[in-house]
Amino acid sequence: DGGITQSPKYLFRKEGQNVTLSCEQNLNHDAMYWYRQDPGQGLRLIYYSQIVNDFQKGDIAEGYSVSREKKESFPLTVTSAQKNPTAFYLCASRSTQSGVYNEQFFGPGTRLTVL
Amino acid sequence: AQKVTQAQTEISVVEKEDVTLDCVYETRDTTYYLFWYKQPPSGELVFLIRRNSFDEQNEISGRYSWNFQKSTSSFNFTITASQVVDSAVYFCALLYSSASKIIFGSGTRLSIRP
Repeated sequence: DGGITQSPKYLFRKEGQNVTLSCEQNLNHDAMYWYRQDPGQGLRLIYYSQIVNDFQKGDIAEGYSVSREKKESFPLTVTSAQKNPTAFYLCASRSTQSGVYNEQFFGPGTRLTVL
Repeated sequence: AQKVTQAQTEISVVEKEDVTLDCVYETRDTTYYLFWYKQPPSGELVFLIRRNSFDEQNEISGRYSWNFQKSTSSFNFTITASQVVDSAVYFCALLYSSASKIIFGSGTRLSIRP
């Protein structure tokens, strides 16, 4: 089955620890995205990547880091510099090829709780 | 400016009522795409529909229908004979041709009461 996987579904960490959220896709999509969603709120873009080994900051990149070493993978690290990391994190991907459907597909999300 | 506005923060209706979710967009591009997503309580966003700027035909899929009007820059979503399972947050989104990322509206929380 083609799709996007995020693991784990729930993640608990102590304050001050870095934590890495996994995102893998087998849709052969070029572009990948990370969003943060707080309770009752909309989506806020953290980072995105259009191509391997390249990525751009979104609207709320401070305290986060990413890498894009493989087309299929776009891990997000929540660092200790992120002041309020408890949130729901969604990963998405889409094709950027012309003539191909260009909507974003989303993973199931990871709920991160920092204690 | 390129933006998506969903002015209705929350809507609550009784089951079997029809309900319309509004979406107004702004873009300078002549080529763009509009989307609707559903986010049920589980959290994952589910893609519902895509529309490009050259296709103003309305779309119907079962109880769901979409009305795209370029004259008013709107892409509204109607659920006919609503059901409790339709309860979710619904997001409207815009991708303009020169963009590398999709712009999401703030979402409308729809509650269907039995």
